[in-house]
Amino acid sequence: DVKVTQSSRYLVKRTGEKVFLECVQDMDHENMFWYRQDPGLGLRLIYFSYDVKMKEKGDIPEGYSVSREKKERFSLILESASTNQTSMYLCASSPGTSGRGGEQFFGPGTRLTVL
Amino acid sequence: AQRVTQPEKLLSVFKGAPVELKCNYSYSGSPELFWYVQYSRQRLQLLLRHISRESIKGFTADLNKGETSFHLKKPFAQEEDSAMYYCALREAAGNKLTFGGGTRVLVKP
Repeated sequence: DVKVTQSSRYLVKRTGEKVFLECVQDMDHENMFWYRQDPGLGLRLIYFSYDVKMKEKGDIPEGYSVSREKKERFSLILESASTNQTSMYLCASSPGTSGRGGEQFFGPGTRLTVL
Repeated sequence: AQRVTQPEKLLSVFKGAPVELKCNYSYSGSPELFWYVQYSRQRLQLLLRHISRESIKGFTADLNKGETSFHLKKPFAQEEDSAMYYCALREAAGNKLTFGGGTRVLVKP
């Protein structure tokens, strides 16, 4: 089974802090994604990566950055946390476009509260 | 740009009643459509995809390109179907998914 793990289930930070959210997958997937999940808005893509050191902006990249130094690890960084970044953050991975491409495997989520 | 719309935020049905979750999309190309489900305290997971044309847990969904819809249906809802459901679209030859806003289904005993 694909396993996607996220470093924290719950996180509380203060406005202005730098926040790191870590995601690790163990299935050698090429693609990794960061979403935020908000009621009524569904999942919105923040950033994704299709290879080591490669990244592309999603729909709502403002205020976020990412890092992918190793294939299995994809980090989301909030440079200066703000209260409107309080949300549930989901990491996902998927294989390349061939075969099972399209199905994404999700982590358990990190609920971030910014005070 | 592609868009996925789920018009119902909440669907409440009684056990044994039919349930239909609506999903409409806008995309100029040939998309691939998915339904994902998130049960309470579990992670989001794939329920079904249109290219498989299969029934999963009694659910089916048909892609209607004329109406640009991919509605999810189950003839007899069960209490264990209570969950959050998301419709998602994948562009042709792409890796990204665009999700709808989600529909919460509550099946009452």
